[in-house]
Amino acid sequence: GQQVMQIPQYQHVQEGEDFTTYCNSSTTLSNIQWYKQRPGGHPVFLIQLVKSGEVKKQKRLTFQFGEAKKNSSLHITATQTTDVGTYFCAGRLSSGSARQLTFGSGTQLTVLP
Amino acid sequence: DTAVSQTPKYLVTQMGNDKSIKCEQNLGHDTMYWYKQDSKKFLKIMFSYNNKELIINETVPNRFSPKSPDKAHLNLHINSLELGDSAVYFCASRYGQWQETQYFGPGTRLLVL
Repeated sequence: GQQVMQIPQYQHVQEGEDFTTYCNSSTTLSNIQWYKQRPGGHPVFLIQLVKSGEVKKQKRLTFQFGEAKKNSSLHITATQTTDVGTYFCAGRLSSGSARQLTFGSGTQLTVLP
Repeated sequence: DTAVSQTPKYLVTQMGNDKSIKCEQNLGHDTMYWYKQDSKKFLKIMFSYNNKELIINETVPNRFSPKSPDKAHLNLHINSLELGDSAVYFCASRYGQWQETQYFGPGTRLLVL
């Protein structure tokens, strides 16, 4: 079945360093979403990308959607301890049933003070 | 005001018992989901209901039975609990079948002893 893979699974960074997580799909996606889950919390929607090659920014976070709409990345500049959590991408198939999102495996980010 | 609520927040029970988890959303959304998150943070969709109709039923043991009495509620009943059922169960909702953002509940942490 269709899979959405994320790397790395875990990332430890020193506060102030940059961080990037990558998301790859085996099939073309109609759109991709990113969610953040704080420790002990629940996933919270961050952003959605729809267009091929789209880039969106939210303060220190930069989101990209690949030209082929099969990959995406989230980059955090100058991480802070508040960035700690698990970041998920979630993709929607561009063909067939569009009723469900497929979540990536997540990247658990630890920021060391 | 809580948008998506789940009860209970914690559930500790013995193997073989039957238990239910309840979910309610006050967002007026048409579509609701149950996800299972394992100890490695992997989020897997279990069920989806749209206007009380089951539209997604992933490969889940038939010991799990969802019930949607109305479009604001989606409950999950689990029969004959097993050790492997220990996980965090998240309810989520979104508006219609084509609106994208999913809103997650706080989760129910189930521990089967």
